[in-house]
Amino acid sequence: SQQGEEDPQALSIQEGENATMNCSYKTSINNLQWYRQNSGRGLVHLILIRSNEREKHSGRLRVTLDTSKKSSSLLITASRAADTASYFCASSTGGGNKLTFGTGTQLKVEL
Amino acid sequence: DAGVIQSPRHEVTEMGQEVTLRCKPISGHNSLFWYRQTMMRGLELLIYFNNNVPIDDSGMPEDRFSAKMPNASFSTLKIQPSEPRDSAVYFCASSLAPQETQYFGPGTRLLVL
Repeated sequence: SQQGEEDPQALSIQEGENATMNCSYKTSINNLQWYRQNSGRGLVHLILIRSNEREKHSGRLRVTLDTSKKSSSLLITASRAADTASYFCASSTGGGNKLTFGTGTQLKVEL
Repeated sequence: DAGVIQSPRHEVTEMGQEVTLRCKPISGHNSLFWYRQTMMRGLELLIYFNNNVPIDDSGMPEDRFSAKMPNASFSTLKIQPSEPRDSAVYFCASSLAPQETQYFGPGTRLLVL
């Protein structure tokens, strides 16, 4: 299976609610990143959290990292319709290796 | 900065034809990546370069695919001959280093008839 796997595969919520997406990985990482992809567009970097960090914030985004469980979560607070997109986690293992992307979570925020 | 530039944005071709996709990374970035995205297979890394040298091409589907990076500001991905199953969106991305934040181009939407 993949280094990064997101859960759930799809999520539908109402505007104003919080959205939580999870990512699990298998091997030790150097850093973990979250990306967003709007339909028909390239991926856009959201946030990077390094292996020695536990939590990071950026605007309405909060990312946590639990290296003991080999998992990360992305929380989007007070969601908006514009947050509708696919969200991918990507992990970097040690030794300067490339990022490995997960399969993504499709988030739909309804008015 | 203009970001990662890809051309063409759309390409429609017939089976058997040669297809060349182009990418200009962000100036100063040392790593360049080619990805393919389909509904069935998701996002796949095809190949990546570091300092213009191919580092990992294990994702290249077969010998019909080739990629080059003749200098720090230009890369090509070539498919010859193309097949309908090559239809996908091909993304180029660049970063300062392989494990750092990647900046994606808008993609090339390829349709092989």
